[in-house]
Amino acid sequence: GAVVSQHPSRVICKSGTSVKIECRSLDFQATTMFWYRQFPKQSLMLMATSNEGSKATYEQGVEKDKFLINHASLTLSTLTVTSAHPEDSSFYICSAPSGNQPQHFGDGTRLSIL
Amino acid sequence: GQQLNQSPQSMFIQEGEDVSMNCTSSSIFNTWLWYKQEPGEGPVLLIALYKAGELTSNGRLTAQFGITRKDSFLNISASIPSDVGIYFCAGQGKTSYDKVIFGPGTSLSVIP
Repeated sequence: GAVVSQHPSRVICKSGTSVKIECRSLDFQATTMFWYRQFPKQSLMLMATSNEGSKATYEQGVEKDKFLINHASLTLSTLTVTSAHPEDSSFYICSAPSGNQPQHFGDGTRLSIL
Repeated sequence: GQQLNQSPQSMFIQEGEDVSMNCTSSSIFNTWLWYKQEPGEGPVLLIALYKAGELTSNGRLTAQFGITRKDSFLNISASIPSDVGIYFCAGQGKTSYDKVIFGPGTSLSVIP
């Protein structure tokens, strides 16, 4: 079946650093991908919709200049957390639809900002 | 905006017992999805429901799409220790390219 892969699975970095997270569709093309954030003991909250070849669409309250999304190819979307601070520490998960199948989710990236 | 509620928030059950959890929405969805998430992993799809009234099974799991399109339930029969995890309901529009809105989750613990 369709697989979505995220990299890295875990990243720890200092406050002020920018961090890039990759989301790849391994055996299908994804014109659309979604980025979610999940804080401990909470649900997944949609951050933005990543569109291949065009600008991402951000959900209300999500800063587009803080969370840069690039979807430059049909199999890769990247989320860059710019100038990350401890409050940005979270579990970031991407998903992508494949045809009529429900969206496939990656295994997530645990971001810890010291 | 669209909001989902799940009940119960958490459950502690004995191995072998049946489990039932519910999800309600403030608005209509065309698709209902049930996911399970284990610590440190992404959510895994359990059941997808596409029609109001639809009842679908996946092994020991059964889910139904409410007639009003504002609710769904998930049942797990004869629970086993590996059923432990967080169960999320989610609503979506008509296509797989629509946003998926997640409920707050039900935490399930199974006592051997």
